[in-house]
Amino acid sequence: SAVISQKPSRDICQRGTSLTIQCQVDSQVTMMFWYRQQPGQSLTLIATANQGSEATYESGFVIDKFPISRPNLTFSTLTVSNMSPEDSSIYLCSGQGSGTGFYNEQFFGPGTRLTVL
Amino acid sequence: QKEVEQDPGPLSVPEGAIVSLNCTYSNSAFQYFMWYRQYSRKGPELLMYTYSSGNKEDGRFTAQVDKSSKYISLFIRDSQPSDSATYLCAMTGGGSNYKLTFGKGTLLTVNP
Repeated sequence: SAVISQKPSRDICQRGTSLTIQCQVDSQVTMMFWYRQQPGQSLTLIATANQGSEATYESGFVIDKFPISRPNLTFSTLTVSNMSPEDSSIYLCSGQGSGTGFYNEQFFGPGTRLTVL
Repeated sequence: QKEVEQDPGPLSVPEGAIVSLNCTYSNSAFQYFMWYRQYSRKGPELLMYTYSSGNKEDGRFTAQVDKSSKYISLFIRDSQPSDSATYLCAMTGGGSNYKLTFGKGTLLTVNP
């Protein structure tokens, strides 16, 4: 199974600023995703990070607010731009298709806990 | 109606109890059904998965899928305090329909 790390693990930010979250996988994966997890809510998919091309965003999420990069098969970043208190949440990175085991399994990072003041 | 419904609980049981966790869904295209376990301040990890209908057993855990009723369950036998976590159901159509749709998660506490 793939092991995923995220940096930072948590941060407190001022409104109007931006934060970039890094996601590193210890092996190549076919697909990488970014989720938001708010208290009492489902994991909500923000976007699929595509290697070498623009990310595919879900309804309600836009590139200007959540720019995503994926330069290779093991690394991705998510930026939360022009933050407001409503962006306070846990942001999770996941990978799928590591070449072993159940293909549809997604491996998750530990999450980044973001608080916006 | 949400695609996946899951009672968020919380659910509190004594050690040794049998726990039943459930989800209902509306999308008949779902083929793979998963249960993830998420400990506090950790990311979710896959516990079990089932393809189509039927039962699957792994130690103290049993996953059941009833596609005719669009209902899935996870049973935990002889529950232990270490089982205390949030359990999320997730589903996908598989293949090119690769995205997972998650339930809200059920917070389970097993008391010693």
